[in-house]
Amino acid sequence: KAGVTQTPRYLIKTRGQQVTLSCSPISGHRSVSWYQQTPGQGLQFLFEYFSETQRNKGNFPGRFSGRQFSNSRSEMNVSTLELGDSALYLCASSISTGANYGYTFGSGTRLTVV
Amino acid sequence: DQQVKQNSPSLSVQEGRISILNCDYTNSMFDYFLWYKKYPAEGPTFLISISSIKDKNEDGRFTVFLNKSAKHLSLHIVPSQPGDSAVYFCAARGMDSNYQLIWGAGTKLIIKP
Repeated sequence: KAGVTQTPRYLIKTRGQQVTLSCSPISGHRSVSWYQQTPGQGLQFLFEYFSETQRNKGNFPGRFSGRQFSNSRSEMNVSTLELGDSALYLCASSISTGANYGYTFGSGTRLTVV
Repeated sequence: DQQVKQNSPSLSVQEGRISILNCDYTNSMFDYFLWYKKYPAEGPTFLISISSIKDKNEDGRFTVFLNKSAKHLSLHIVPSQPGDSAVYFCAARGMDSNYQLIWGAGTKLIIKP
């Protein structure tokens, strides 16, 4: 079965712009989580969506937002980009929320803000 | 305040020997612990997990040990192979945070031939 698909793979944006990242989960998975990975910081949790509802939210400013559609696909939006937003953004899907280990990650979107 | 800490940014091990990756945590409300492995340009992949009611879980060459009194877990890889070279992340699930996963910063494991 197809894995978690994230688009685009690479993105270069200018400071002040906004960006939208997309994540298509594994078929049948209803939970989608978003993470930011920067060198030395591990994976920082952004938010989790389950059945179109945001279930969990990490400690990121309001410039970071997301949504989930009825087909479980999810988008993440970052407005007013800052240089510090440059990172690898990972999406993970799971059959249900709070799953013990059933998180499958996509390959990520590498965002560079210049 | 880092609730999950991997204090070694990198570790170098000879092929065939044992690799031991460590992880410390501070929150007593973690009920499940997981190890993920990440190659460059790929997303993390699940490796092995352990429930807080157990102290050991084994899967082939991989064994995870949990010491609840010390709030410490470790991942043992025996024998280490070149394909094990990757970044290893420890993650913990919090009962007090809606079962959100809290991640360590990762340890880069290098297996020398």
